[in-house]
Amino acid sequence: KNEVEQSPQNLTAQEGEFITINCSYSVGISALHWLQQHPGGGIVSLFMLSSGKKKHGRLIATINIQEKHSSLHITASHPRDSAVYICAVKGGETSGSRLTFGEGTQLTVNP
Amino acid sequence: DTEVTQTPKHLVMGMTNKKSLKCEQHMGHRAMYWYKQKAKKPPELMFVYSYEKLSINESVPSRFSPECPNSSLLNLHLHALQPEDSALYLCASSTQKFSGNTIYFGEGSWLTVV
Repeated sequence: KNEVEQSPQNLTAQEGEFITINCSYSVGISALHWLQQHPGGGIVSLFMLSSGKKKHGRLIATINIQEKHSSLHITASHPRDSAVYICAVKGGETSGSRLTFGEGTQLTVNP
Repeated sequence: DTEVTQTPKHLVMGMTNKKSLKCEQHMGHRAMYWYKQKAKKPPELMFVYSYEKLSINESVPSRFSPECPNSSLLNLHLHALQPEDSALYLCASSTQKFSGNTIYFGEGSWLTVV
């Protein structure tokens, strides 16, 4: 079992739909990152969370430390949101504080 | 300026060639990273530099040789690569090594070894 599990692996939506991507992790963490990767390759950091909730435009990220779970929500989805979304957790000092990545969720938003 | 700039964007090299990938950031970050990413897989950490010194080498083969000439630049020297080394190579930086701050990634360099 991976330390970071994302679901779903693939997600297809119609423009305007509300989207949720989930991330569960099994290790103690000090922070969780949501990343976006377009087909061109570059990765953009969307959020870094250690507790609670953050919002940026149409994107909302939440984390529940007790349940070891985080969600990324996209409201009013648009075709330009089509990308791979990656959850990555930063462990505590005992784990070397490396980033451990989930396998990613491929999101396709159709017009 | 919140950019990490990588060059070249694409590189094709033969197995006997010597080439280099370059990465630059001007955010004053003191930690810089090289990651390797194969298709449909998450990035894998290769090297970490902290304050211009190699801090972590994730048992990467010696045909990959990192270099940090100064706090803004990170190079990855490539020599005698194998076709299986073809991948996207991503550079990243953060204020401190694995700090709780945002990590910034570059656009990546697509490497094909023929």
